[in-house]
Amino acid sequence: AQTVTQSQPEMSVQEAETVTLSCTYDTSESDYYLFWYKQPPSRQMILVIRQEAYKQQNATENRFSVNFQKAAKSFSLKISDSQLGDAAMYFCAYSAGNNRKLIWGLGTSLAVNP
Amino acid sequence: KAGVTQTPRYLIKTRGQQVTLSCSPISGHRSVSWYQQTPGQGLQFLFEYFSETQRNKGNFPGRFSGRQFSNSRSEMNVSTLELGDSALYLCASSSSTGPLGGEQYFGPGTRLTVT
Repeated sequence: AQTVTQSQPEMSVQEAETVTLSCTYDTSESDYYLFWYKQPPSRQMILVIRQEAYKQQNATENRFSVNFQKAAKSFSLKISDSQLGDAAMYFCAYSAGNNRKLIWGLGTSLAVNP
Repeated sequence: KAGVTQTPRYLIKTRGQQVTLSCSPISGHRSVSWYQQTPGQGLQFLFEYFSETQRNKGNFPGRFSGRQFSNSRSEMNVSTLELGDSALYLCASSSSTGPLGGEQYFGPGTRLTVT
């Protein structure tokens, strides 16, 4: 069965600094997708970044980038130049290539200190 | 384009009652998925509907059911409510075109409290 593990329930970062959130997953599929979602206190879940497993290049979206280590089944999120608005719950999620079912980690609560 | 809307936003029900939650996807999106979010279990997949057909189902009891209408709007129903059904229920829609790993757009959720 596919699983997603986020080992850091809470993290904090100083404004303008860089923080890395960890995620590991387990799957026997060769075709799959990985996602980082952000859920601010208002509860609207927003996609931050996605990675296709077949792509070796790490995805980047502005200040957000991932370190995708396929052999190690690791998918970490790096947030550069952290801003107060980055404070939220961050969820790592997985979907196999043949459906839209998302399997989620338990999340990391990120606090950004001014 | 309007986002995913869910109604009602908040709901309080008593054990044993049933409840129906509604989700309107983004215009043009034909796939609607439902998730249950609780502090203890996190986010868990309930089911996905595409063109009025249930395409995938999570590991929930038969008390949880859903349907999708021809306009892609979806409803989920929970019968014989239990205290453990208290949760935030999230709906997500995605486009029918493009890769299956495409973005899912989430609604604000319905907060269900069972007393």
